[in-house]
Amino acid sequence: AQSVTQPDIHITVSEGASLELRCNYSYGATPYLFWYVQSPGQGLQLLLKYFSGDTLVQGIKGFEAEFKRSQSSFNLRKPSVHWSDAAEYFCAVAEGNTNAGKSTFGDGTTLTVKP
Amino acid sequence: KAGVTQTPRYLIKTRGQQVTLSCSPISGHRSVSWYQQTPGQGLQFLFEYFSETQRNKGNFPGRFSGRQFSNSRSEMNVSTLELGDSALYLCASSQVSQGSTDTQYFGPGTRLTVL
Repeated sequence: AQSVTQPDIHITVSEGASLELRCNYSYGATPYLFWYVQSPGQGLQLLLKYFSGDTLVQGIKGFEAEFKRSQSSFNLRKPSVHWSDAAEYFCAVAEGNTNAGKSTFGDGTTLTVKP
Repeated sequence: KAGVTQTPRYLIKTRGQQVTLSCSPISGHRSVSWYQQTPGQGLQFLFEYFSETQRNKGNFPGRFSGRQFSNSRSEMNVSTLELGDSALYLCASSQVSQGSTDTQYFGPGTRLTVL
């Protein structure tokens, strides 16, 4: 069965600093990977996704993620964090690119941004 | 296009009652998935409906059920409510087109409180 691990429950960064959120997945075949962001009381917004092609994926709001098959990782990065980025971030994996409707999520990482 | 809508947004019920939640997908989307989000268990997949048929199912008891109508709108029902059913219930829709990469879009969720 597929699984996702987000090792960091909570991360605090200063505004303007760089950010990296870690995600490790377990899946036997080619994974279909996602990063979502959730603000308090809201649904999930898709930041970016990866299935194939260039392993460095660009998303919305200045985020990017790099797929590393050898490390089973899909870490999310942003070069300069803004106060509005404070939220909870979820990494997810689905069984193939046509089955996103059954995704397995990590436990999430809460990002706090210090002024 | 309008996004995924969920009704009601907030609901308070007592133990033993039943509840029905509704989800209207993005126009043209044929798949609807349901997730339960709680602080202790995180985001867990409930089930997915596609063309009025349940395509995938998570590990939840039979008290949790769903259906999808011909216009792709979906409802989920929880019978004999327990305190532990208090959660944010998220609905997500996706297009599911042949040969294209699937992407889920989430609604704002229904916050269910069981007293």
